[in-house]
Amino acid sequence: GENVEQHPSTLSVQEGDSAVIKCTYSDSASNYFPWYKQELGKRPQLIIDIRSNVGEKKDQRIAVTLNKTAKHFSLHITETQPEDSAVYFCAAGVFSGGYNKLIFGAGTRLAVHP
Amino acid sequence: DTAVSQTPKYLVTQMGNDKSIKCEQNLGHDTMYWYKQDSKKFLKIMFSYNNKELIINETVPNRFSPKSPDKAHLNLHINSLELGDSAVYFCASSQDFGQGSGYTFGSGTRLTVV
Repeated sequence: GENVEQHPSTLSVQEGDSAVIKCTYSDSASNYFPWYKQELGKRPQLIIDIRSNVGEKKDQRIAVTLNKTAKHFSLHITETQPEDSAVYFCAAGVFSGGYNKLIFGAGTRLAVHP
Repeated sequence: DTAVSQTPKYLVTQMGNDKSIKCEQNLGHDTMYWYKQDSKKFLKIMFSYNNKELIINETVPNRFSPKSPDKAHLNLHINSLELGDSAVYFCASSQDFGQGSGYTFGSGTRLTVV
């Protein structure tokens, strides 16, 4: 069935280091891949997204890459800062029953230590 | 001005009670959703409405009944609450459901069943 796997479940880095979170999806028809950041006690917020006709997208310190053949996509955060600490979710847009829906990964808890 | 607003923010109730959560969006989006986030932070879709029409029902127990009086509102009524219903419930909306687009989440309702 439809599934999105996300790794690692927890990630701890020093301030200034890079962080990489990886996801794989099962439905080859998936065409939309957003990433969400959820701070403690807050709502998930969209930070970057990529569509299946693009291989890479960058926005300041964050970038997302997509490998459609391997059904992998990744989030890269460079020069991490303590305020990047949060839970990050990947998702894949799956076409089902005539409509798209987002299937979320299980989340990665990122801790950035000063 | 909050884009997607949910009430109440916190809800503590006894097993067996019936409760409702309300959601409103002022973004002009056509599609609204309910997601459940469990204690392990996993986000799972429950329902989706497009222009007041139910389009996704992810095998949620029929104790859960969504209602959409208009495309700006999606409420969730839960009958005979059980301990396992304790979670954070997020409402979300999106503009372009057919193509796949980012969701805007509400601030969540933390439901605790005792």
